[in-house]
Amino acid sequence: AQSVTQLDSQVPVFEEAPVELRCNYSSSVSVYLFWYVQYPNQGLQLLLKYLSGSTLVKSINGFEAEFNKSQTSFHLRKPSVHISDTAEYFCAVSPRSGGSNYKLTFGKGTLLTVNP
Amino acid sequence: DAGVTQSPTHLIKTRGQQVTLRCSPISGHKSVSWYQQVLGQGPQFIFQYYEKEERGRGNFPDRFSARQFPNYSSELNVNALLLGDSALYLCASSYGTGGTDTQYFGPGTRLTVL
Repeated sequence: AQSVTQLDSQVPVFEEAPVELRCNYSSSVSVYLFWYVQYPNQGLQLLLKYLSGSTLVKSINGFEAEFNKSQTSFHLRKPSVHISDTAEYFCAVSPRSGGSNYKLTFGKGTLLTVNP
Repeated sequence: DAGVTQSPTHLIKTRGQQVTLRCSPISGHKSVSWYQQVLGQGPQFIFQYYEKEERGRGNFPDRFSARQFPNYSSELNVNALLLGDSALYLCASSYGTGGTDTQYFGPGTRLTVL
């Protein structure tokens, strides 16, 4: 089984400041890792994912996340946030093998609020 | 191309009633998954269907059931509604069932049980 812990339930920051949203996971098997974003009253949108290869993955809107296998972490960072980045961010994992590798296990989410 | 669509957008029911939620996947996607998102929590996996067959089930009671149709659309049914069933129900579609198949989520159906 897998579990995901998002260490901060809320992160308030000022516009143009850097931000880091922390995610740790626990799993007895290797996993794929994902970050999803949920804007108010909307469904989830995939922000970025780590499947294999380089441990640093980037999104088109400036976010990046680094897979750290030894620390079982997949923290999300952005060097300069905008008001429009205000949303809830969910870290998720799915097992690489076995019968349930389609199943996403999510953390509880981190509400990022960007203030002017 | 259209994304994942869900209907209805909002629904209000009373305890003990039954509800059916509907999902249309992205064109070409053969897999549909259902998730329940209770306020303040992350989504929890309920079911996955692929080619009209149930491929996986989460830790939900038998009051929850689903099916997938030949056109790959899907319905989620919940019987004997409880107050705790109040949540946002999300549908996700993907081309296949592997972990590398990105799941694309719909906007959800907000169910309120009174």
